[in-house]
Parts: sequence; C-alpha cells; structure tokens
Amino acid sequence: GDSVTQTEGQVALSEEDFLTIHCNYSASGYPTLFWYVQYPGEGPQLLFRASRDKEKGSSRGFEATYDKGTTSFHLRKASVQESDSAVYYCALSDASSSFSKLVFGQGTSLSVVP
Amino acid sequence: EAAVTQSPRSKVAVTGGKVTLSCHQTNNHDYMYWYRQDTGHGLRLIHYSYVADSTEKGDIPDGYKASRPSQENFSLILELASLSQTAVYFCASSDAAGGFAEQFFGPGTRLTVL
Repeated sequence: GDSVTQTEGQVALSEEDFLTIHCNYSASGYPTLFWYVQYPGEGPQLLFRASRDKEKGSSRGFEATYDKGTTSFHLRKASVQESDSAVYYCALSDASSSFSKLVFGQGTSLSVVP
Repeated sequence: EAAVTQSPRSKVAVTGGKVTLSCHQTNNHDYMYWYRQDTGHGLRLIHYSYVADSTEKGDIPDGYKASRPSQENFSLILELASLSQTAVYFCASSDAAGGFAEQFFGPGTRLTVL
C-alpha cells in the first residue's frame, strides 16, 4: 500500500537556523502531497499541498517541491523562529481509488530555542 | 468558533469498560474521520463516514466501532477498552473524499486505559 517516510523523528534548532525535514513517499498513481503542522494542544492543520510534479507549495515561509523522480516532498525554511516549534506531518492522498484518504508519515517534532 | 469539536478532551477508562468519544462539526462537510495518534506512527485512520447512518472501516478498525447519526456528529466507540488503545484520538472533516481536499481536525481526546 501507499506509505510516507519522514527520516527525522526530532529536530532541535536555534532561531534563524535553516530547516530541512525529509519526506519520501511510495504510491501507485499520482498522489497529492501535503504538509500538516500540529501545535501543542491542537489538532493538525494544513500548511500547504501540491498535486503536480515540480509544483512548489509554500506558506508562512515554509516550502516544499513535489519531485516525482525522487518521490520526495522535503520541507524547508530558511530561518526558523521559536513559534515554529511544532510537530510536522507529511501526508499523501491517492485520488485514483474510489475513496481517497490521507496516509501520514510518522511526524517530526521541531524544537526551536531562542 | 472552532469548527470541529471533540468531547471529552481527556478520559481515563478501565480495561474492559465501554468508552464513547464524540465529535461535532459545523463545517457542513459530508466526510468525517477518526484517527489515532501514537508516537512513531503518526496518525492512522480508524473509521470514516461520507454520509449519515453509514460508516466505513479504515486501516486499523479492530476493537473500534463508529456511529454517524447525523451529518454533524460522528462517534467512536470502544466496546471493551484495552491497554493498547491508550492514545490521542482525532476527529476530522472534509468536503470531499480526498485528492486535493483539506481535512479539518478537532483538538483531540487523550484516552488513558488503565
């Protein structure tokens, strides 16, 4: 079945550091790729999504590019802030089946210190 | 106002007891979902529903039942709670089955089974 792998379980950075969270996927068909963010005490919320090869999604300074060749959708931000501390989930949805549902990666907990 | 609410927000249950988790949405969405969140596993789909009075099994339905009495309400039922069902449970809604659709999550219910 479809799957999503996030390499980093936890990331600790200082403010203004560069962030990369790796996301690779395995899917039949042509999935839509998502990044969700979960702040403490809240449910996940959509950060952004992309549905075509080479499409870049972006929001709040975060960005990721859909790469069908390497089956990747890595999350990047040039300069993180303490307020970015949260859990980040990469997910996919395969629209080729009769019911499309989200498949989530394991999540990456980001901690940013001042 | 929050569009997806869950109750209770926290619950302690005894092994073998019955637990009902409730979800209410004001998004006027047709699709509703129940996920469980475990460290290292991300979010996994338990049950979902696309119309009132109908529910479908997700990826990990064993030990869980679901009920959708109306478009707005979706419940998750643990008939015989077990230690392994200790987790955080999230309800979500969307206006489409998947593909490009965004899912809107509630704040979660932390369930501890003793």
